[in-house]
Amino acid sequence: ETGVTQTPRHLVMGMTNKKSLKCEQHLGHNAMYWYKQSAKKPLELMFVYSLEERVENNSVPSRFSPECPNSSHLFLHLHTLQPEDSALYLCASSQDTGGGTDTQYFGPGTRLTVL
Amino acid sequence: DAKTTQPPSMDCAEGRAANLPCNHSTISGNEYVYWYRQIHSQGPQYIIHGLKNNETNEMASLIITEDRKSSTLILPHATLRDTAVYYCIVRVFSGYSTLTFGKGTMLLVSP
Repeated sequence: ETGVTQTPRHLVMGMTNKKSLKCEQHLGHNAMYWYKQSAKKPLELMFVYSLEERVENNSVPSRFSPECPNSSHLFLHLHTLQPEDSALYLCASSQDTGGGTDTQYFGPGTRLTVL
Repeated sequence: DAKTTQPPSMDCAEGRAANLPCNHSTISGNEYVYWYRQIHSQGPQYIIHGLKNNETNEMASLIITEDRKSSTLILPHATLRDTAVYYCIVRVFSGYSTLTFGKGTMLLVSP
């Protein structure tokens, strides 16, 4: 257990569905991240929130919509996805101290399949 | 952030030490070396990090060369559960931490 939980762990959805992924961290951190890991590809950073403000958006399609209501929770809202969006979606958190040695801790991921 | 080079795969016998190399010849003076691992279909797990000095924790040891152009992660007594992809990452702090994952090294620990 890393102190970062993700739900659901597995999700199958159609291309017209709307669903949301949830991440919760119990570490008192103030920065949260969404990563995508497609089959046989390195992890790709999608979004970064620091102090509940989005600070990075790596050219992610608008069908992915993040939400960070507070420092402990992060959501990824999904709508009209494509089959190529099937992947492992990982959430991480860290403490943004400005000190240069903060470490990211990852959740177990949500395995998403788009039919 | 500096780029890293790791062998794509390595084998290790159970109970033996696993030594995973990483080259980071373009590392800057303010960049840290981080190691993570990812067991199949799970989230990456933090292992250890360092700047200049060698580091040790309950999971592993990190040996950084004096010129900081390469490092070695050492798992002193590898077990079957250490089979995973190991990522070496170097990064400079930018106000919030970002990690750029490469392809890593697939370590297979065999009985």
